[in-house]
Formats: sequence, structure tokens, C-alpha cells
Amino acid sequence: GAGVSQSPRYKVAKRGQDVALRCDPISGHVSLFWYQQALGQGPEFLTYFQNEAQLDKSGLPSDRFFAERPEGSVSTLKIQRTQQEDSAVYLCASSPIVAGTDTQYFGPGTRLTVL
Amino acid sequence: KNQVEQSPQSLIILEGKNCTLQCNYTVSPFSNLRWYKQDTGRGPVSLTIMTFSENTKSNGRYTATLDADTKQSSLHITASQLSDSASYICVVGTRGGNNRKLIWGLGTSLAVNP
Repeated sequence: GAGVSQSPRYKVAKRGQDVALRCDPISGHVSLFWYQQALGQGPEFLTYFQNEAQLDKSGLPSDRFFAERPEGSVSTLKIQRTQQEDSAVYLCASSPIVAGTDTQYFGPGTRLTVL
Repeated sequence: KNQVEQSPQSLIILEGKNCTLQCNYTVSPFSNLRWYKQDTGRGPVSLTIMTFSENTKSNGRYTATLDADTKQSSLHITASQLSDSASYICVVGTRGGNNRKLIWGLGTSLAVNP
């Protein structure tokens, strides 16, 4: 496919479980972003990769959140010991270049529900 | 504090009618302003991106305007279609930052009824 894909689309976890969310960006895109979107809210920035380098992780809400992009393509967002407040849609976006006004292409998101 | 405010919060119009959505921002330094369309259960899709020197940009039936002096933007939708039903989000980027320095509005929820 030509777009950004994310898996799983839906994830239900019990409080305390670890989860891993996957993002497949558009092939060749340099920049990759993770966002958290609570119900009725706009996306909140979590972290940013330029190729395999994580250049900004200032939006990660706690040390339970960890993201990686080891080969500069697929990225994984891991949440350890999930809490109910982690329930949200997690969006991944990629863009072809680094410059300030390039378009971001979003995936469909992973809806995480923590019981 | 950097903020993006949108109005109205929600809007219902009849198919074929025009509508205008508003965005006011207090982001500094300003770099660019974007409008996104987000369908329920989908990721946002970029409609327009405008920099400081641009005051209007069109994408099909969507026309965005930007007044950098008053820090206001609008998104005008012409001849609305049922598929226009979605949330429209105004996003402002700060100068010197790339996509990670984006301030997101809460969106306007648009419903187009037949």
C-alpha cells in the first residue's frame, strides 16, 4: 500500500500489561512522528524520529513510554505497565523531508483501551 | 501561551451549502498554518499549508485564508457534500521548528445532511 499503516487497529489491555504498537511509514520517508489523541481532542505530540535517530521525545508522558525505529523505517511505540489514562488513539505520521512545512501523512491510528 | 482556538465547535449544514470555519491563534513565533480533515476513526489528512507570506490557498472546494496581522485563519467549503462530514482541525507551526512544533486546535465537527 502507498499510505502509512498501523497495527493493530484496536488493542484492549488489562491495566499493568505491556503493549507494542507498530507503524509502517511511507517508504523512503525520513521523518516519523507519534501522537496521542484522546477522545474529542487534537493529537498531542509524543516523539519524533529522523531516520533511525530519535531527535525529540519531549512529549512522552512518562518513562513507561518507549519508541524505537532501529532501521529508519518501521517504528514501534511500547507502553509498559499500562494505566487507564493511557487509553487513547495513537497516531503515527511520516513525512518525506525534514523541513518545516512538509506535509505529514497520517496512519489510521491504533485505538488502545486499558481496562 | 501558544494556543489555537477554533469556532464553531460544531456545525450542521445542508448538502450543497457553503460554510466557513474559523481559527484564531496566539502562537509565536509563527511559521505556518495548516488545515486538516479528520474522518471518524481515521488519521488526519492535510488540506492546506500556508506560510507567513501566503494569505489564501485552495484545494478543490476548500479555500483557506490567513491574516497574519490579526492571527486569524478561515477554511471555506464550497458546495458541501455528504463526504465533507468530518472534523476540521487548524494547526499552527512555530518558526524554527519542524513538524514537532505544531500547536493543534480542538477542531470543528462538521455534519453535512442531505
